Amino acid sequence: DTGVSQNPRHKITKRGQNVTFRCDPISEHNRLYWYRQTLGQGPEFLTYFQNEAQLEKSRLLSDRFSAERPKGSFSTLEIQRTEQGDSAMYLCASSPGTSTEAFFGQGTRLTVV
Amino acid sequence: RKEVEQDPGPFNVPEGATVAFNCTYSNSASQSFFWYRQDCRKEPKLLMSVYSSGNEDGRFTAQLNRASQYISLLIRDSKLSDSATYLCVVGTGGGNKLTFGTGTQLKVEL
Repeated sequence: DTGVSQNPRHKITKRGQNVTFRCDPISEHNRLYWYRQTLGQGPEFLTYFQNEAQLEKSRLLSDRFSAERPKGSFSTLEIQRTEQGDSAMYLCASSPGTSTEAFFGQGTRLTVV
Repeated sequence: RKEVEQDPGPFNVPEGATVAFNCTYSNSASQSFFWYRQDCRKEPKLLMSVYSSGNEDGRFTAQLNRASQYISLLIRDSKLSDSATYLCVVGTGGGNKLTFGTGTQLKVEL
């Protein structure tokens, strides 16, 4: 499968715990995006990378959230001290270039209890 | 004001009907435009890109009006399989940042 891969697919965690999600983009896609989606809403932009550089980070991304793409390939999104409001689908997407479509992974569904 | 605005619907239409969705965007410097389709509990997938000259793909027609900052999607001869949420997407910052609308839900009925 050469699509965008996200792991885990589902994560249930207790409030206050830290979680980390992984995204493997399509090979040679230099842009990688993270989005968050809740029921009835469109995907909400969190951050994006061009190669290993994090170029933009949403104001919605509090200091509990951090994302990395250390070698310009896979990326991780970490949420520290999770809160119930963090419960959502976290979507990763990759894109080969400017003004081109983004291809999404199947997402990681986070439930904070 | 939201960067990308859509009517959330739902639009309930009979099979064979023609339905149109509209979307407005606030950033006049936006450079790329797309319609994505999202099925229930699935990831969004590209339906079509939107160009200033308008473009058509089978039963689907997309239009862009830069002066009015308005994008539309027309679906002709609706099929049951068209039932989904349609997301309007706008690219800014050199087309690098993709901002999604909340989506418009379409239900095609027998």
